[in-house]
Amino acid sequence: QKEVEQNSGPLSVPEGAIASLNCTYSDRGSQSFFWYRQYSGKSPELIMSIYSNGDKEDGRFTAQLNKASQYVSLLIRDSQPSDSATYLCAVNRQAGTALIFGKGTTLSVSS
Amino acid sequence: GAVVSQHPSRVICKSGTSVKIECRSLDFQATTMFWYRQFPKKSLMLMATSNEGSKATYEQGVEKDKFLINHASLTLSTLTVTSAHPEDSSFYICSARDPSGALNTEAFFGQGTRLTVV
Repeated sequence: QKEVEQNSGPLSVPEGAIASLNCTYSDRGSQSFFWYRQYSGKSPELIMSIYSNGDKEDGRFTAQLNKASQYVSLLIRDSQPSDSATYLCAVNRQAGTALIFGKGTTLSVSS
Repeated sequence: GAVVSQHPSRVICKSGTSVKIECRSLDFQATTMFWYRQFPKKSLMLMATSNEGSKATYEQGVEKDKFLINHASLTLSTLTVTSAHPEDSSFYICSARDPSGALNTEAFFGQGTRLTVV
């Protein structure tokens, strides 16, 4: 089983809709969870971090974490064409170690 | 967030030559930096962990003699691709953490280096 799994997509949503991105991880000892956005040819940009069970909201973005189910998700409200990118889920077991990335989900928001 | 600068952003080199990529933390000191490579439409694959003042830790399958990593100061790590071949063509990205940050877990990425070996 891969350490961090994401549906590669593409996930297509119309402008203004909610985009829901999902991620599962295999290491129960994971402590920190991140969502990065990556535009084609660019390096990843941190969108959200979440460390405890529940929801964390930042503007149009909401991250959700369920450690019992080993599941983390990202909701994007009022999706915009500029949100079209690949979204990478990353997991970290302990501070100071490298992030482990999923393959990413490609999101396409049509206007 | 913290700023990590990577240089060059693009490089084209001839097969058999070596290429050095620099990764700098601009507004913090990074005792640890990470080097990733990414093939088209693939995820980031960790190559090695660069530790200031000591040898890098390489991931399984990564040739340490081919991908030389030096982390001589708290703000600079370099990756040298030696005797580059076309199969080394890839997007190389460094990242670093700000150890003074509240949780010391968020990683910030450099701009990436697109290496093309011809």
